[in-house]
Amino acid sequence: GQSLEQPSEVTAVEGAIVQINCTYQTSGFYGLSWYQQHDGGAPTFLSYNALDGLEETGRFSSFLSRSDSYGYLLLQELQMKDSASYFCAGLYSNYQLIWGAGTKLIIKP
Amino acid sequence: ETGVTQTPRHLVMGMTNKKSLKCEQHLGHNAMYWYKQSAKKPLELMFVYNFKEQTENNSVPSRFSPECPNSSHLFLHLHTLQPEDSALYLCASSQDGPSDPGGYTFGSGTRLTVV
Repeated sequence: GQSLEQPSEVTAVEGAIVQINCTYQTSGFYGLSWYQQHDGGAPTFLSYNALDGLEETGRFSSFLSRSDSYGYLLLQELQMKDSASYFCAGLYSNYQLIWGAGTKLIIKP
Repeated sequence: ETGVTQTPRHLVMGMTNKKSLKCEQHLGHNAMYWYKQSAKKPLELMFVYNFKEQTENNSVPSRFSPECPNSSHLFLHLHTLQPEDSALYLCASSQDGPSDPGGYTFGSGTRLTVV
């Protein structure tokens, strides 16, 4: 079946850059979304990549490589408020979003 | 305020109880969803309503019963639940249905504990 894999936890230092990877299964794949969820909060949409390459939105960027079946979320100039869980989600041809299990980002001062 | 409001935020219920979760959106979206979120697991899609019609039911046990009376409201009726049903239940909406990957607006969820 369709599944997405991402690391369960990533630790980084305030002010640094961190990359969260996501691998996916290619059959029926349309594109890759990223969502952020703070503890006790709602998941909020960050980005969607349908084409290969890098999409930049402020301090956050998202990348997709269809040939390698993977994407990543890049967070720059980390701030303590970026501590959250980050989910990748793949859109597939059956019109369902298939979600990864989430990556908890821990930021240390 | 996320645009999608869920009530209650927390719910503790016994296995013989009947309760309902409520979701409300005033974003003008046409599709609404129920998801189950368990720790360290991917979000599980439970139900999809597109233009008030149920279009997906991902093999969800009958003890979960959705209701969509209009395009702004979605309910999840619960009865005779099991302890393993304890989880965060998230409601979401999107403008253009399930194929709109960037337009999902989520509520903050109902934390359900079954005792």
